Amino acid sequence: NAGVTQTPKFQVLKTGQSMTLQCAQDMNHNSMYWYRQDPGMGLRLIYYSASEGTTDKGEVPNGYNVSRLNKREFSLRLESAAPSQTSVYFCASRATPHSPPNTGELFFGEGSRLTVL
Amino acid sequence: GEDVEQSLFLSVREGDSSVINCTYTDSSSTYLYWYKQEPGAGLQLLTYIFSNMDMKQDQRLTVLLNKKDKHLSLRIADTQTGDSAIYFCAETLFLSGGYQKVTFGTGTKLQVIP
Repeated sequence: NAGVTQTPKFQVLKTGQSMTLQCAQDMNHNSMYWYRQDPGMGLRLIYYSASEGTTDKGEVPNGYNVSRLNKREFSLRLESAAPSQTSVYFCASRATPHSPPNTGELFFGEGSRLTVL
Repeated sequence: GEDVEQSLFLSVREGDSSVINCTYTDSSSTYLYWYKQEPGAGLQLLTYIFSNMDMKQDQRLTVLLNKKDKHLSLRIADTQTGDSAIYFCAETLFLSGGYQKVTFGTGTKLQVIP
């Protein structure tokens, strides 16, 4: 059982280039999330998808787009990368509805480390 | 405010107890979590507590919840070098429409000195 799989694990981009981070989960979870992690700032939500076919903005959506391709896959796209988007990106999923015995646990991928020069 | 607050760094000696503190924002939060992040990895759930509980113990871990002060703490007894990691507290708030808003703290880096 792979859980949440993200690709690529590392990427270096030049300012203005575009790229897509891929995420897939095999736990049949309805909800999927993209976070970014920066030193001293914790995790900040970029976009989320409460269920297949829906996506919504989180705290820091500017400069990003997402696609919920199907129940398993949720991709994050940077159309024109900027140095401020240098970060570690995490995809996560959780089962919903959130009621016992479901603890509401978020399951995370291993992260994608992006550097924009 | 909107921020879940944690101190950024904690250093303890192997065998001592570690206490990591967190102040959360919303008294309506129903679930509070501690996640652990080891170097180069994603976050993994360590433990959680329901808002109607004051304390939860799980082997070396003790979670204390003070709802009046919106204060959450994680105590690790007999801290080992393998406990070195970043620890995040998180709160979950249920909003209308079924959406669950999860807010993470900044993370506390625990360094265990042999």
